[in-house]
Formats: sequence, C-alpha cells, structure tokens
Amino acid sequence: QKEVEQNSGPLSVPEGAIASLNCTYSDRGSQSFFWYRQYSGKSPELIMSIYSNGDKEDGRFTAQLNKASQYVSLLIRDSQPSDSATYLCAVHTGNQFYFGTGTSLTVIP
Amino acid sequence: GAGVSQSPRYKVTKRGQDVALRCDPISGHVSLYWYRQALGQGPEFLTYFNYEAQQDKSGLPNDRFSAERPEGSISTLTIQRTEQRDSAMYRCASSLARGSEAFFGQGTRLTVV
Repeated sequence: QKEVEQNSGPLSVPEGAIASLNCTYSDRGSQSFFWYRQYSGKSPELIMSIYSNGDKEDGRFTAQLNKASQYVSLLIRDSQPSDSATYLCAVHTGNQFYFGTGTSLTVIP
Repeated sequence: GAGVSQSPRYKVTKRGQDVALRCDPISGHVSLYWYRQALGQGPEFLTYFNYEAQQDKSGLPNDRFSAERPEGSISTLTIQRTEQRDSAMYRCASSLARGSEAFFGQGTRLTVV
C-alpha cells in the first residue's frame, strides 16, 4: 500500500467551477499535510499547508483535513485556465515528505 | 537569492563518471531534503539533513549515492560510477524545521549516456 494515494485523473472542470482534489494517507501518526502545484516541466510549488482537522482557506483555495478518515482534500473555487497543472498531495511523516503521484487538472475556458 | 538554488540545471554525463549536484537552501532553513522525480510521478525521497547532520538516508538507492552538508547550509549529492538508470530530475527542498513547509529548487536534470 502506498503511503499517499491520489486519483491520477485527469480531472477536467469548466472555467469558474469548483475543482475538488482528494488524497488519502496510510500513516495515522502523520502531522503535516501539504498541497503542491506543478506545472509541466517546472518544480513543485507549495500552495497550501494544513496541520489540524478542519478547513483552511487561502484565497480561492481551501484545504480540508480529516485525520480520523486519513483524508486530505483541496478545493479550488472559481477555477481559472491558469490553474491547469498537476496537484501533488504531500504528507510529512518521520523525516520525509511522502508524495502522491499527483492529479492532473485541466480547466476548460 | 530568496529561493532554493540548484546547480547545474542540466547535466549530461557518460556512464561510469561521477557527478556532483549542488543545493543552496533558503537562508536560515535548517532542514534540507533531496528527492528524485520521474516523469509522471511524485517526488521520491532520497535523504534528509537537519543542519549538518544527515539524519535519514533510507531513500538512497545504493552505495553509489552519497550526500553531505558539511556546514549546515549548502548540500552536495554525489553519484559515483553513474548508470543510465540514474537519469532523472533531482530536486532539493528546504524548510525552517522538520515537517514545516518545504520549498523546492528548480531541480537538476541528469542524463547519463
């Protein structure tokens, strides 16, 4: 079983819609959770971090964490074509960040 | 600079040669990570430093790979006797502390021919 699981997609949403990205993790002791955006050919860019249960909002982005269900999600409101990228879920456990394989998002104008 | 800096950006080397990849973390960041990323995959952990101490090297594939961070700042990942299977994007990230937000450099694209 992989440490971090994500739907690889691709996920397509129309411009202006809400994009919902999901991630599950296996280690119940994990304490830090992150979402990175990675454009093709570029390095991962941190967009959200969340450490406690509940929602955390930053602009158009909302991260949600449910430690009991070992589930992390990212909502992108009012999706823009510039949001088209691969979104990586990362979970920090022990000495390392475990990454999912990423979900490819396409926002259709 | 303000971000994590890696050099070189691209490295082409012949099979059997040694290569050294450099990472200059964000100033003040005590935690430094090396990752390797294949196309279409998430980054895969190689090693972790806390200041100058290499606290985890469980992800290094074999003993041809080594890393150091002698003064707790710049780190070097060295691959000896390179093989074609070593071809990948090597990424470095740094954070203020273990488990806090980590920021990636631009990466080094290594090609072994």
